[in-house]
Amino acid sequence: QKEVEQNSGPLSVPEGAIASLNCTYSDRGSQSFFWYRQYSGKSPELIMFIYSNGDKEDGRFTAQLNKASQYVSLLIRDSQPSDSATYLCAVTTSGTYKYIFGTGTRLKVLA
Amino acid sequence: DGGITQSPKYLFRKEGQNVTLSCEQNLNHDAMYWYRQDPGQGLRLIYYSQIVNDFQKGDIAEGYSVSREKKESFPLTVTSAQKNPTAFYLCASSLRNTEAFFGQGTRLTVV
Repeated sequence: QKEVEQNSGPLSVPEGAIASLNCTYSDRGSQSFFWYRQYSGKSPELIMFIYSNGDKEDGRFTAQLNKASQYVSLLIRDSQPSDSATYLCAVTTSGTYKYIFGTGTRLKVLA
Repeated sequence: DGGITQSPKYLFRKEGQNVTLSCEQNLNHDAMYWYRQDPGQGLRLIYYSQIVNDFQKGDIAEGYSVSREKKESFPLTVTSAQKNPTAFYLCASSLRNTEAFFGQGTRLTVV
C-alpha cells in the first residue's frame, strides 16, 4: 500500500513564528508533490507544488523536497492566525493521474 | 469563470435510498476524481477517471458507482449498499501530474 504520512497535530505556533509541516511518502516512484490548505468545512485549496529536489519559495511559503529521504515539507514564515487550518500533503506517481493524500496536519496559530 | 461545480451542497438520504452527487468541470481537464472525507480524517479515493468512458476503483469503491459519459461530468451514485454514507464528498479534476482542483463539496447525511 503506497502511503503518505503526516503528523496529525495540532501544531501550535505563536503569531509571527515559522510553522514547519512535514510529510513522508513510501513510493520511490512519486513524481509530483502538493500542499493543500483546508479550512474547517471547506474544500482543499492548493498552496504549493514541487517537482524537483530542493526548495521552492512563494511569498511566505517554502516547499522543500528530498527524494532520497522521501520527505517533503512546508514552511510558513510570519505565521498569521488566518493560517490556522489543516494542511494536506499529496503525491502522484509518474504515469498515473492518481493522487495519494496524507491525513493532514492541523495548524493553530496563536494570536 | 473556469472551475468545478458540485451539487447539491447538502444532501439527505433515507435508509435504503440511492442518491446521486453531481460534479461538472469546465477546465478541460482529462481526469476527474471522487474523494470521501470523514470528520478529522484525510481524503480517501472512491473512484477516478482518466478519460471519457473509463474509470477505476479507488480505495473505498464498495457501495458507490460512477459514470463518465462526457469529459465535463463525473456523477457519483451512493447506493443502498453503502452502509455508512454520512460524510463530506469532494470532486476534483486535473491534468496529468499537475495540481488537482476541488469543487466546494457535498455534505451527505443519512436521516
